[in-house]
Amino acid sequence: DVKVTQSSRYLVKRTGEKVFLECVQDMDHENMFWYRQDPGLGLRLIYFSYDVKMKEKGDIPEGYSVSREKKERFSLILESASTNQTSMYLCASSSGHPSYEQYFGPGTRLTVT
Amino acid sequence: KQEVTQIPAALSVPEGENLVLNCSFTDSAIYNLQWFRQDPGKGLTSLLLIQSSQREQTSGRLNASLDKSSGRSTLYIAASQPGDSATYLCAVMNVQGAQKLVFGQGTRLTINP
Repeated sequence: DVKVTQSSRYLVKRTGEKVFLECVQDMDHENMFWYRQDPGLGLRLIYFSYDVKMKEKGDIPEGYSVSREKKERFSLILESASTNQTSMYLCASSSGHPSYEQYFGPGTRLTVT
Repeated sequence: KQEVTQIPAALSVPEGENLVLNCSFTDSAIYNLQWFRQDPGKGLTSLLLIQSSQREQTSGRLNASLDKSSGRSTLYIAASQPGDSATYLCAVMNVQGAQKLVFGQGTRLTINP
């Protein structure tokens, strides 16, 4: 079975803190993604990665960075957390060619106070 | 720019009914379309993936169809059960889009015992 895990289900941080969200997949997928989900706005892509040390900006990269040092692990970094980054963060990995099916983790509910 | 719409936003039906969820997209140049299920506060579970060359896919009581030329997909759920209550999301991957999924806002389905 496909498995994507995220380091925390719930996280509470203060404004200005540096926050790390970690995602691990066990399918040897090359492609990994970070989304955020907000009521009324749906899911929006923050960053994605095609391979180790490769990253591409998604639709809303401002205020975020990512790191992919190993194939199975993709980290999302909030350099200086702000209240407008309170959201549900979802990590996904993709099987790549030919199906490109995406598999999601359980999500991290981040609250910034 | 690709836009994905799901109507209705919410649907409530009695247990045992067959039902159809709708998804429409504006740009027919898609690589695939994926249906997901999301329970409250949880991540997304992949239900069915339809490649652009396919017309339908089936898994158990679920059947998804795709009419690429008209920009429409439907998810048919047979003999609905209370456990089917969840939000159902459709997402398309564009041919030009670097594996990015574009999501609809979802249909919140409630099955009443």
